[in-house]
Formats: sequence, C-alpha cells, structure tokens
Amino acid sequence: SQQGEEDPQALSIQEGENATMNCSYKTSINNLQWYRQNSGRGLVHLILIRSNEREKHSGRLRVTLDTSKKSSSLLITASRAADTASYFCVFSGTYKYIFGTGTRLKVLA
Amino acid sequence: NAGVTQTPKFQVLKTGQSMTLQCAQDMNHEYMSWYRQDPGMGLRLIHYSVGAGITDQGEVPNGYNVSRSTTEDFPLRLLSAAPSQTSVYFCASSYSPERGYTFGSGTRLTVV
Repeated sequence: SQQGEEDPQALSIQEGENATMNCSYKTSINNLQWYRQNSGRGLVHLILIRSNEREKHSGRLRVTLDTSKKSSSLLITASRAADTASYFCVFSGTYKYIFGTGTRLKVLA
Repeated sequence: NAGVTQTPKFQVLKTGQSMTLQCAQDMNHEYMSWYRQDPGMGLRLIHYSVGAGITDQGEVPNGYNVSRSTTEDFPLRLLSAAPSQTSVYFCASSYSPERGYTFGSGTRLTVV
C-alpha cells in the first residue's frame, strides 16, 4: 500500500490561474520530490525539497514542506494548457522512493 | 545519451507465461528501480537496486524477480504471469537518492 496521499485527486482550472496540490505522508523522510506525468508517459522530475528546507522555488513552481505535519504542497502559478498532467509527490527515507496517489490537473485554455 | 531505455514497449502474455522486461541506462547511475502503475493510480515500487549485485524488495515484489549483474542493466522477470500483473511498468535510475530519478518511457503489459 502506498504511504502518500494527494489532495485533490483531480483539479480543473482556467489558464492563468494558480493550481495548488497537497501531499501527505506517514514516515520520516530525507527529501520530497514532485514529478509530472503526461498522459501515461514516463515521469519528469520537477523539484526536490530536503527535509531541513521549508520552501523552494523553481520558475513557476513553489514547493513547501511541513515536516511536523508530514505534508507538502506544490503551487503552479500562472498555469498554462501545457501544464495539464498528473502530478505526484515522491518521498524517500533512504533508497526507496514512495509515490503519492497523484493529482490530475487539467488547465482549460 | 539514450537515458533509460525500456524494451519492449508493449507486450501481451498468456496466463502462466514468463518473460523479462529489459531496462538499461547509460548514465552510470547506481540506483535503479522498477515500478508498476495501474489505471488512475500512482506508481508502486516493485524492486530496487543500490548498485551492481545489490537488490531489495519494494512494496509489491510478489511474482517478480530482479538481478543486477552490471551497473547498466536491471531486468525484471515475471515468473508466471497473472492477469493481476496487467499494468504499465516503469524503470528508473538515479545518481543518488538526493537527486531525481530519470524514468524510462514504460512497458505496457497485458496478461490474458
């Protein structure tokens, strides 16, 4: 069974709006990463945040991490139609990478 | 560089057949993993390896075997295929757990 849950499961927004998705986990972690998957294809690494970091930015992406609540959020600002994809949080303790259940984001043009 | 190469891309098996899914990477990554993804779900870890000769089980290892005789290759063997193993299989590799994984494009397996 997976140890990560993402919320919401699906999100539909208009182009230009911001999209926020959340991830919760149960174990202690070394880092947490976010990946994007387009239409059942392979996954693309977006951003990594370490357990001693609280916030990280990369372009239009902002990730926060709250280890006391065992949760993370991914914010995509000024969304584009090309951002339509599934987004997964992935957390790792040592060598194992455990995936969350994913958020399906649809950006309407 | 080719990155992570998975073969075949598509496969149909009959129940009880065995087969090997191939995964090769040319980035000299020590860490490699196999995942399966079922419809509408995230990826579940089957087996992983932290270097040649070292493998370990993930969340859903039953029915699968792996070996890591070289750094480059990490094949996944289905011992006796079952319909429950119908899924998309992804192989991934990484330089270290502190960095992101590079994923292959997947193998879509159907067991009838």
